[in-house]
Amino acid sequence: DQQVKQNSPSLSVQEGRISILNCDYTNSMFDYFLWYKKYPAEGPTFLISISSIKDKNEDGRFTVFLNKSAKHLSLHIVPSQPGDSAVYFCAASDSDTGRRALTFGSGTRLQVQP
Amino acid sequence: ETGVTQSPTHLIKTRGQQVTLRCSSQSGHNTVSWYQQALGQGPQFIFQYYREEENGRGNFPPRFSGLQFPNYSSELNVNALELDDSALYLCASSTGTAKAFFGQGTRLTVV
Repeated sequence: DQQVKQNSPSLSVQEGRISILNCDYTNSMFDYFLWYKKYPAEGPTFLISISSIKDKNEDGRFTVFLNKSAKHLSLHIVPSQPGDSAVYFCAASDSDTGRRALTFGSGTRLQVQP
Repeated sequence: ETGVTQSPTHLIKTRGQQVTLRCSSQSGHNTVSWYQQALGQGPQFIFQYYREEENGRGNFPPRFSGLQFPNYSSELNVNALELDDSALYLCASSTGTAKAFFGQGTRLTVV
């Protein structure tokens, strides 16, 4: 039973355009959400996070939106750059203390075409 | 400030053998978590250690065990290796927040 789902295995966008990566979750206890980026042969790198008390968090070119009623979050990258090409993982936790597991989706491979 | 480091980076073992993977947490981080990432999937939580005590465990059998040392470094031990244990094993450290910092992983191949 996948509690965090990323239904798009891959996404291709043109450089300079917007990339939108989606994530759905089923566990109502999740209240903290994170996005990680992973290049081949490297570990996941933290990108941006959002607490369930917010519906939007922005950091430079990256914005995460949370719709709690729909149990859906999305990551927007504007403008997209070729260096953004990587696998993006959505993760969720039922606590922000760091002493709870992260539950990951299966990832979306983003390809940004020059 | 040093990041999370894992050793070895690659490992080949035979079915039935035992393996130990090591992780040095980021400086000042007292919580270490281990994840298994199979091909084409997201990382799956194995267990977590907080101040040398196991603090949670995912759906993995007892042949997956671990330790955390006083300097907060950690080991993951897997006994009686099976072919399905072939995966990328990721260590992550954190302190006080859900934002975890990951190492580069150990690629384990069981033949």
